[in-house]
Amino acid sequence: EDQVTQSPEALRLQEGESSSLNCSYTVSGLRGLFWYRQDPGKGPEFLFTLYSAGEEKEKERLKATLTKKESFLHITAPKPEDSATYLCAVSYNQGGKLIFGQGTELSVKP
Amino acid sequence: NAGVTQTPKFQVLKTGQSMTLQCAQDMNHEYMSWYRQDPGMGLRLIHYSVGAGITDQGEVPNGYNVSRSTTEDFPLRLLSAAPSQTSVYFCASSYDRDYGYTFGSGTRLTVV
Repeated sequence: EDQVTQSPEALRLQEGESSSLNCSYTVSGLRGLFWYRQDPGKGPEFLFTLYSAGEEKEKERLKATLTKKESFLHITAPKPEDSATYLCAVSYNQGGKLIFGQGTELSVKP
Repeated sequence: NAGVTQTPKFQVLKTGQSMTLQCAQDMNHEYMSWYRQDPGMGLRLIHYSVGAGITDQGEVPNGYNVSRSTTEDFPLRLLSAAPSQTSVYFCASSYDRDYGYTFGSGTRLTVV
């Protein structure tokens, strides 16, 4: 069965405390893996796309990596404004549609 | 550039009523999708389109209908609303199947 699993469901960090979020996937014919950020009451905001194992992308305090089975979103020295739900999604086979994970709710306290 | 615009933002329906959720994008994107987001269930694909005149079903299509007569618009129709359709609905678009989608701000629907 094609699926995407994110862990942990929730993560609480102190400001400056680095950590990682995990996204594992089981799909045939991966075309791309996407990371999104979602703030309460808003739509998901696109962060990164990763296409092949070994690829890395960075944006400010965020760094996304991809292996053949999972992706990690590393958050370095987070700030309270990084608090949000982070969603992972994959595009597979013919593309055009995404499977989303359940998300990780990140809370960063000052 | 407005991006992806969804209307209405909030809606309350009675069981059995029908309605259309509107979605419009001004980025000339070929790919458009509708998702619903429920607590503990994540985002689930309802219907998607790879271009004007072309639509297909996603994971949870029952009770919903779509059409794509123009590149810009992708309305979602609820045929006969049920309480199980209470959810937050998101429309998204992308210029390429392998590129990140841009999401609208959502429609919060309650069916009583």
